[in-house]
This record gives sequence, structure tokens and C-alpha cells, in this order.
Amino acid sequence: ETGVTQSPTHLIKTRGQQVTLRCSSQSGHNTVSWYQQALGQGPQFIFQYYREEENGRGNFPPRFSGLQFPNYSSELNVNALELDDSALYLCASTPQGGATQYFGPGTRLTVL
Amino acid sequence: SQQGEEDPQALSIQEGENATMNCSYKTSINNLQWYRQNSGRGLVHLILIRSNEREKHSGRLRVTLDTSKKSSSLLITASRAADTASYFCAPSGYNTDKLIFGTGTRLQVFP
Repeated sequence: ETGVTQSPTHLIKTRGQQVTLRCSSQSGHNTVSWYQQALGQGPQFIFQYYREEENGRGNFPPRFSGLQFPNYSSELNVNALELDDSALYLCASTPQGGATQYFGPGTRLTVL
Repeated sequence: SQQGEEDPQALSIQEGENATMNCSYKTSINNLQWYRQNSGRGLVHLILIRSNEREKHSGRLRVTLDTSKKSSSLLITASRAADTASYFCAPSGYNTDKLIFGTGTRLQVFP
């Protein structure tokens, strides 16, 4: 166990809806990264937050947005869901000055 | 891009055999990490090797890094059925800690 938790575990939405996924970082970790993993693919970097500010973004449209809170927990919001958004969403936290990312178990999102 | 590309895409072996996976990348790196993912779950960090290191061990894992060839290998010795998983390498540059994953190597270890 990495100490990183994500909720919910599974989620089913319909096209056009909005979704919020949550991540609780490991204690003492001030950086959170989010990844999208489609079936059979490697995780794709969405964005990273450091001390409540976005600190880099991958090739994802603006309808993917995030937040990091003072306790370093984080949210990933996706608006106007599309079928291709169906994937496993992973968050990972990193300790100050560290390089290793500690992953949560993921949220499986299905868009119908 | 710092993306690592793993090879082979799939590997099947018997318990007790060794498994070797390779990773290639294209630009200079600060470090390279290997992660394991059991089916449909989060990634588990296995080992980090820095650009000034050539070899690193952790239990049954041995990682090598050849920066001149921009490649790394992960060796799992005396494999077990529980080693069945996907394995990803993640090279990381000097000014970033963002990880760019390839498609991984799917390892199947048969009892």
C-alpha cells in the first residue's frame, strides 16, 4: 500500500456529463500528478499540481481540469464527457525533493 | 520526449526462469524508474536508477542503465507466478519530474 487513496473506485457516466475524481496524497507529499490509462496502453500524463498550482500539463483539452487543496489532496474534473474518456484514472503523489511517484489504485471511469 | 519504449511487448516464461525487459529512450535523462502494474490496478514503484549509476539491485530485481545507448534493462531472477504483471519504464529529465510511460511489457509467469 502506498498511502495514496482515490475515490470512487468505479464510476459510470453518460456522454456529455461531468465527473469529479478525488485523490488523497500520502502524508508529507506536496506534488500530485494525474494520469489517464486506456485499456492496453500505458498511463498518459494529464497534469501535475505543486503547492496548489498547476505545474505542467500533458496533451489534454481544457475540459480536463484540476485542483489541489491546502492539505495536498486533489481533484480531477472532466466536463462534457466523451466515450473516449473511458479509462483508468490514476493519481500519484511525490514527496518534497523526491523523484519517485506513489500511485493510488485508480478510478475506473466508464462513459456510455 | 522522455518517453520510454519497452521491449518486448509481451513475455511468457515458466516459474523459476529469469525475465529480461528492455527500455529505450531518446533524450538525456536524470534518472529512470521502473514500475509494475497488476491487472487494472495502480502502479507500484520498483526501482530508480540515476544517470550516473550503471547497475542497481533490489531483491530479485537487477536494473542496468547504459546512457551511451540510451537504454535500460530490468532483470527479474527466479520468477514467480506473482510476478505476472505489466512493467513500465519511465525516464525523467533534469528539469522535470513528470513521467512519460510507454506501453509496457506484459509478463506472464506460468506455474
